[in-house]
Amino acid sequence: QKEVEQNSGPLSVPEGAIASLNCTYSDRGSQSFFWYRQYSGKSPELIMSIYSNGDKEDGRFTAQLNKASQYVSLLIRDSQPSDSATYLCAVIIYGNNRLAFGKGNQVVVIP
Amino acid sequence: NAGVMQNPRHLVRRRGQEARLRCSPMKGHSHVYWYRQLPEEGLKFMVYLQKENIIDESGMPKERFSAEFPKEGPSILRIQQVVRGDSAAYFCASSPPTQTSAGEQYFGPGTRLTVT
Repeated sequence: QKEVEQNSGPLSVPEGAIASLNCTYSDRGSQSFFWYRQYSGKSPELIMSIYSNGDKEDGRFTAQLNKASQYVSLLIRDSQPSDSATYLCAVIIYGNNRLAFGKGNQVVVIP
Repeated sequence: NAGVMQNPRHLVRRRGQEARLRCSPMKGHSHVYWYRQLPEEGLKFMVYLQKENIIDESGMPKERFSAEFPKEGPSILRIQQVVRGDSAAYFCASSPPTQTSAGEQYFGPGTRLTVT
């Protein structure tokens, strides 16, 4: 079983719409969860961190965490062409400091 | 406030040569992590270091790869006798010593290694 799974294929959304990304993780002891954005050829950029069940909002981004279901999601409201990137879900593995990453979801915002 | 710095940004090596990748963490950060990203694959953890200590090297291949973070100077990831399969982007990340936001890691621009 993979530590972090992002199963959706590329996501195309019209400009102004909501993009919804999902992620599941296998380690029930994990406490720290992150979303990174990675533009093609660039390094990952931290955009959201979440540690408690529920929603966390930051600008147009909302992260949602459900530890019982081992599920993390990211919503991007009012999507802009500049949001076109790959979004990586990452989880701190319980007991150490390393990040386990999902494979990422490519988001394409169509003007 | 400089971020994580890595050099070189691009490195070309012939098979059998050595590659040395350098990483300077953000100011005030004492934890350094190395990750590798192969084309069309996700980021994979390699090693976690603090000054003069390797904390976790569970993701590091057993042979040819080594890492250090000396008391003075940058962290170095060393790959001996490179092979074509080592071609990848190598990212360094750093985090502060006291983690009020536990686990937040900030990435450098990466070194893109090409083995010919």
